[in-house]
Amino acid sequence: EDKVVQSPLSLVVHEGDTVTLNCSYEVTNFRSLLWYKQEKKAPTFLFMLTSSGIEKKSGRLSSILDKKELSSILNITATQTGDSAIYLCAGHPQGAQKLVFGQGTRLTINP
Amino acid sequence: GAVVSQHPSWVICKSGTSVKIECRSLDFQATTMFWYRQFPKQSLMLMATSNEGSKATYEQGVEKDKFLINHASLTLSTLTVTSAHPEDSSFYICGLRGEGNSGNTIYFGEGSWLTVV
Repeated sequence: EDKVVQSPLSLVVHEGDTVTLNCSYEVTNFRSLLWYKQEKKAPTFLFMLTSSGIEKKSGRLSSILDKKELSSILNITATQTGDSAIYLCAGHPQGAQKLVFGQGTRLTINP
Repeated sequence: GAVVSQHPSWVICKSGTSVKIECRSLDFQATTMFWYRQFPKQSLMLMATSNEGSKATYEQGVEKDKFLINHASLTLSTLTVTSAHPEDSSFYICGLRGEGNSGNTIYFGEGSWLTVV
């Protein structure tokens, strides 16, 4: 059965800190891995990763995929209170329509 | 990314009544839409995959007669929670697959908070 596991489940840091969120996956015929940010409503798309070792970057956020280790990390540098959210990781099996979501990491940034 | 509109944003209904939630694709035709449910402090749980013009595919444990899904057009899918009970209170989110290079990405609607009293 396909599975995605995120860690930590919860993380509290101070503004300005750098955080690393982890995602490991066991997905049949892996196609891609996606990161989403969820605040009060529905998730918003952050990154889609398909190739190992190629970093994707958007402002203070970056993410990279390691196919050998079946994992991905999401880095946020110089964190701000607006980064407080649940970060979801999802695996996409080849040939399947649906995504397999992890439990999410609840990130809290304190001023 | 794709623009997905979901309505209503929140709804309160009495136990035993039915509630319909709409999900619209505003900027392209979506052949496949997904319906998720999310309980507090939990991740998204896929309920069903909705294909235009055909019956929805339900995940194990999801009652198809209770959660009616209609995907009558390429821009509209609806989820009807029939004979709602308090335990159906949850956050319901629709998602659709992007086009072209975004075809691997699911874009979500704003979600609908359902409270059954």
